[in-house]
Amino acid sequence: DAKTTQPPSMDCAEGRAANLPCNHSTISGNEYVYWYRQIHSQGPQYIIHGLKNNETNEMASLIITEDRKSSTLILPHATLRDTAVYYCIVRVAGNNRLAFGKGNQVVVIP
Amino acid sequence: NAGVMQNPRHLVRRRGQEARLRCSPMKGHSHVYWYRQLPEEGLKFMVYLQKENIIDESGMPKERFSAEFPKEGPSILRIQQVVRGDSAAYFCASSPGEGNQPQHFGDGTRLSIL
Repeated sequence: DAKTTQPPSMDCAEGRAANLPCNHSTISGNEYVYWYRQIHSQGPQYIIHGLKNNETNEMASLIITEDRKSSTLILPHATLRDTAVYYCIVRVAGNNRLAFGKGNQVVVIP
Repeated sequence: NAGVMQNPRHLVRRRGQEARLRCSPMKGHSHVYWYRQLPEEGLKFMVYLQKENIIDESGMPKERFSAEFPKEGPSILRIQQVVRGDSAAYFCASSPGEGNQPQHFGDGTRLSIL
């Protein structure tokens, strides 16, 4: 699976949109981009995933660049409960292991 | 709609004892995965199982660790003769099948070795 690069940490203002970047410059055509988050002491929570089209659900939006070498997770209105470590993972469909890196420690500030 | 259920949430064992961790997947999910998270580290894949079959155990330590997912009942991760280095959070995930369907995680079992 392709390696991803995320900033180690970032702060976001409560009530504002939070834009979380991820680089995956070596991604292959059949690899999906997945986002998970882990709030302290809990299991990872699935957020969203996509292949090449932008995706939106009740939690977030996923914007994938046309060349698929990077993506951005958007939390439209960050709340204090969104403070967590966010993981960007690329995975080939059918390869059932998820490779978690160090993630991005996001802190939402009042 | 119940999520992935893991028990116990916390488990304390003395060195040399056995630890059994249980995982019930989400309803309708037939694929189970186990991950381990050491303190201050990310999750590491251990094993992937379907009912009565181990599909990929490439992340499992060669000795003392085993996993099963019987036809009836939860998946079990078993650690024999535990050592201090086995102290970690063990997470189970499940999915309905292969392909691009996401895995959904339980809240883990925190194993502490005295």
